[in-house]
Amino acid sequence: DGGITQSPKYLFRKEGQNVTLSCEQNLNHDAMYWYRQDPGQGLRLIYYSQIVNDFQKGDIAEGYSVSREKKESFPLTVTSAQKNPTAFYLCASTFGDRLSGYGYTFGSGTRLTVV
Amino acid sequence: AQKVTQAQTEISVVEKEDVTLDCVYETRDTTYYLFWYKQPPSGELVFLIRRNSFDEQNEISGRYSWNFQKSTSSFNFTITASQVVDSAVYFCALRGWNDMRFGAGTRLTVKP
Repeated sequence: DGGITQSPKYLFRKEGQNVTLSCEQNLNHDAMYWYRQDPGQGLRLIYYSQIVNDFQKGDIAEGYSVSREKKESFPLTVTSAQKNPTAFYLCASTFGDRLSGYGYTFGSGTRLTVV
Repeated sequence: AQKVTQAQTEISVVEKEDVTLDCVYETRDTTYYLFWYKQPPSGELVFLIRRNSFDEQNEISGRYSWNFQKSTSSFNFTITASQVVDSAVYFCALRGWNDMRFGAGTRLTVKP
């Protein structure tokens, strides 16, 4: 079955350490997104990519980096510059036409905790 | 700018009660799409419904119904005869020319 796979489900990061969250999709979607979810704040956009080898910053990109070398993959690196990384991270994908009305398909999320 | 407001942070009901989740949106786009997603404790967002800006017909799907009123920029979601399995966080979202914007979510707790 087609879908989005995020790994790991739980991740622990030490202070000053970079960590990478994986997101893979087999839906042939063009666009991929990373959201951060904190209690009571809904979903905030970190980065998104409409096509391979291209990506744009979202609302809260500071302290994060991404790459889009393959259509299927959109990994997110949480760098040591991100001062408060403890959160739930969701990856999503959709077809690229912005006015097509397609909704997003979401992965099951990665819960990152700083220890 | 696009904005979605879900004023109800948390709602608690007893099983079999009806409950309405409110959603108000702002956009300058003339063509846009509205969505509701359900987030159960497992964390994954599950798609419930999509509505485009030109279709104001209400929709009913089993115990779920949606009321889209363009005049008040609202897209409310009603669960009839709620069940414990309906307990989740529900998100309203708007997709226009810019990327999808989500409300802060409403946590619904249905008690037996």
